[in-house]
Amino acid sequence: ETVLTQSPATLSLSPGERATLSCRASQSVSSYLAWYQHKPGQAPRLLIYGSSNRATGIPARFSGSGSGTDFTLTISSLEPEDFAVYYCQQRGEWPLTFGGGTKVEIK
Amino acid sequence: EVQLLESGGGLVQPGGSLRLSCAASGFTFSNFCISWIRQAPGKGLEWVSVISGSGGAIYYADSVRGRFTISRDNSKNTLFLQMNSLRVEDAAVYFCAKAVSTTSCRHFDYWGQGTRVTVSS
Repeated sequence: ETVLTQSPATLSLSPGERATLSCRASQSVSSYLAWYQHKPGQAPRLLIYGSSNRATGIPARFSGSGSGTDFTLTISSLEPEDFAVYYCQQRGEWPLTFGGGTKVEIK
Repeated sequence: EVQLLESGGGLVQPGGSLRLSCAASGFTFSNFCISWIRQAPGKGLEWVSVISGSGGAIYYADSVRGRFTISRDNSKNTLFLQMNSLRVEDAAVYFCAKAVSTTSCRHFDYWGQGTRVTVSS
């Protein structure tokens, strides 16, 4: 099983600041990595798939990069609605797995 | 508009059974992989199972293999999850989610709001 390790666990930032979230895989997942945003009581929202492809309707301030085992989600300038938990997810090999999440909170 | 609506959650005793449903609309259901993903209280997301558009390919997480069965009825645009021998650790909000593309089951672009399963005596 491919284990995804997200860091940091919590990121405390102010609106307008840049957020950089990391996801490291225990083995190569090629570019088969996605990022989701999740807020309490809501459905998770796909942000990035295939490592760097923005999903439909996702603002340009969200960008993804990386391949193999190291991936990054960048939010260029945090908006108030961006404070949430972010998960990475891989499907290089079965089983599909999620990272433990990074909480982006207001400083 | 793509919509996924889960139902069937509730309170069940350990060892009991429950059947979840996911009603889909707004897309050609039979063309897409659909997955079940859950979130236990205070925990992160955990993938449970996935089924291809035709139903010919099915995968399970080790934690549920042999106890849960995923299926779909493409004539009714509905996905199911039959959960048997439920354990306390199966308690979670269960989401169904649609694959991004018709050609792979890698990532999921539309999710339902979830249905809550509580396992307790």
